Amino acid sequence: LAKTTQPISMDSYEGQEVNITCSHNNIATNDYITWYQQFPSQGPRFIIQGYKTKVTNEVASLFIPADRKSSTLSLPRVSLSDTAVYYCLVDSGGGNKLTFGTGTQLKVEL
Amino acid sequence: SAVISQKPSRDICQRGTSLTIQCQVDSQVTMMFWYRQQPGQSLTLIATANQGSEATYESGFVIDKFPISRPNLTFSTLTVSNMSPEDSSIYLCSVEVPGGPDTQYFGPGTRLTVL
Repeated sequence: LAKTTQPISMDSYEGQEVNITCSHNNIATNDYITWYQQFPSQGPRFIIQGYKTKVTNEVASLFIPADRKSSTLSLPRVSLSDTAVYYCLVDSGGGNKLTFGTGTQLKVEL
Repeated sequence: SAVISQKPSRDICQRGTSLTIQCQVDSQVTMMFWYRQQPGQSLTLIATANQGSEATYESGFVIDKFPISRPNLTFSTLTVSNMSPEDSSIYLCSVEVPGGPDTQYFGPGTRLTVL
């Protein structure tokens, strides 16, 4: 399973764009990149998933360069409610187990 | 997507006792997973539970300590046996839903405190 590295914490202010980068140098050909969000006292929640280039949904965008050795989760115009831990994972799906890294604690302030 | 519920949501238990955690899904799923999240830490996979077969445990977790049942495609239980304070954690179940992206959906977790 590919190991991921991401910043332990980030601080931002309401209305700003936040970019969280994750390194996954050993990503395999079949691996997808998935980001989860976890609020205190809740289970992780799926945010976005991609394989290459750019993926956008109503919550976030995911940028993946051609070599796929890293990815960047972009949260536009964050609010206080975006304060959470964000996990980057790589896996090939199909029932493979997920390996959670340390995650990034995002703190959004007024 | 999938809606997952867990019971109990939290419990305080005495050392040496056992607690069974239930996980219910609103749709049929093949694979269910049990995780542990210790205070301030990330998630660690305990085991994978497929219906009709024995659960597969990760390194460091054994069936005698964490027996799992998977009687049908919508339900699973995890028992934490002979508890000690080191077992105080949040226990989460998750499922992989077929037909969509290869993602897992998590339950709300069970917060266990062992005195």
